Amino acid sequence: QKEVEQDPGPLSVPEGAIVSLNCTYSNSAFQYFMWYRQYSRKGPELLMYTYSSGNKEDGRFTAQVDKSSKYISLFIRDSQPSDSATYLCAMSSNTGNQFYFGTGTSLTVIP
Amino acid sequence: DTEVTQTPKHLVMGMTNKKSLKCEQHMGHRAMYWYKQKAKKPPELMFVYSYEKLSINESVPSRFSPECPNSSLLNLHLHALQPEDSALYLCASSPNKGGGYNEQFFGPGTRLTVL
Repeated sequence: QKEVEQDPGPLSVPEGAIVSLNCTYSNSAFQYFMWYRQYSRKGPELLMYTYSSGNKEDGRFTAQVDKSSKYISLFIRDSQPSDSATYLCAMSSNTGNQFYFGTGTSLTVIP
Repeated sequence: DTEVTQTPKHLVMGMTNKKSLKCEQHMGHRAMYWYKQKAKKPPELMFVYSYEKLSINESVPSRFSPECPNSSLLNLHLHALQPEDSALYLCASSPNKGGGYNEQFFGPGTRLTVL
């Protein structure tokens, strides 16, 4: 079983839709949870960073962490064509030496 | 300044060449990383420097040699590469808060082609 599972998509939605991206994990030691956005041929950009369980909102983006279910989500409201990219979840533990990416979900927002 | 810079943006090299990739950050981060990324795959960790000391080497072939001259700079020296080493090479840095390698900020990458 992989440490982090992420649906690779591809996901295609109309402009203005709400997008839900998800990852599951198996290691209960993970405490830090991140979402990255990566445009084609560019480096990943850190979108959201959360510690432990709960919700965090930043503009159109909301990150949710449910440690009891080992499940994290990223919601994008009012999606825009500029949101078209690959979204990678990532997570790490307190003790270092463990940092795992999901496989990434490719998102296309159609005008 | 929340930026990680990498040079060069593109590099084409032959299998007998020696070249270096450079990475710089001025965020005061004490952990720096090299990743390799192939198309449609997530980044794969190669090396981690923590407080300028190599702390992780993910069984990377010796034709890749990292160097951390100071807390802001990270180099990756390349020698006798193979065509399958062609990829996007990403540098990242993180504050190293809480003892973990979380909250990593990535540079734009160097696209390497080995002929």
